[in-house]
Amino acid sequence: EDQVTQSPEALRLQEGESSSLNCSYTVSGLRGLFWYRQDPGKGPEFLFTLYSAGEEKEKERLKATLTKKESFLHITAPKPEDSATYLCAVTSNFGNEKLTFGTGTRLTIIP
Amino acid sequence: DSGVTQTPKHLITATGQRVTLRCSPRSGDLSVYWYQQSLDQGLQFLIQYYNGEERAKGNILERFSAQQFPDLHSELNLSSLELGDSALYFCASSVAATRTGNTIYFGEGSWLTVV
Repeated sequence: EDQVTQSPEALRLQEGESSSLNCSYTVSGLRGLFWYRQDPGKGPEFLFTLYSAGEEKEKERLKATLTKKESFLHITAPKPEDSATYLCAVTSNFGNEKLTFGTGTRLTIIP
Repeated sequence: DSGVTQTPKHLITATGQRVTLRCSPRSGDLSVYWYQQSLDQGLQFLIQYYNGEERAKGNILERFSAQQFPDLHSELNLSSLELGDSALYFCASSVAATRTGNTIYFGEGSWLTVV
């Protein structure tokens, strides 16, 4: 069964203090690894999809990287508006296209 | 705005009742997914439909059922509701399966409170 583990559960940073969120995964044939941002009471907002080890994608202050066992979401010089829960999910090559999610990292950026 | 529309946004109902949640996928998307998010369990996959046919089932209770109609909108029916069914229910959609993956876009969710 596919599994996704995210760490840390929660992270508090000062504005401008860069850090990384971790997503470790176990999947029988990775089809894609996804990062989503979720604000309280809202739906997950798509950020990135990564398909193969070594791939990197960037968007504003966020950069996602992928290895064969884990993905990192690097946040550079964060701002208070980056506060949210960041969710990692995977899809497998075997079976359907459903996402298996981790429990997320709750990120708080303090002004 | 993801383009996935869900109604109602909020509803409160009593135990034992039945409710229907509605979802309109993004224009052109053939796949619809339903997820449940509760405080203690994170996002859990319930069921997927592709072009009107059930494609995959997750941890969906027998009291719950879904369907996708010819116009591709979908409905999730929840019956004999229990207090533990209180959660955010998300609909998501995607074009179709591809070799390299499939971006799945989520709606804003339907808050269900069972009292």
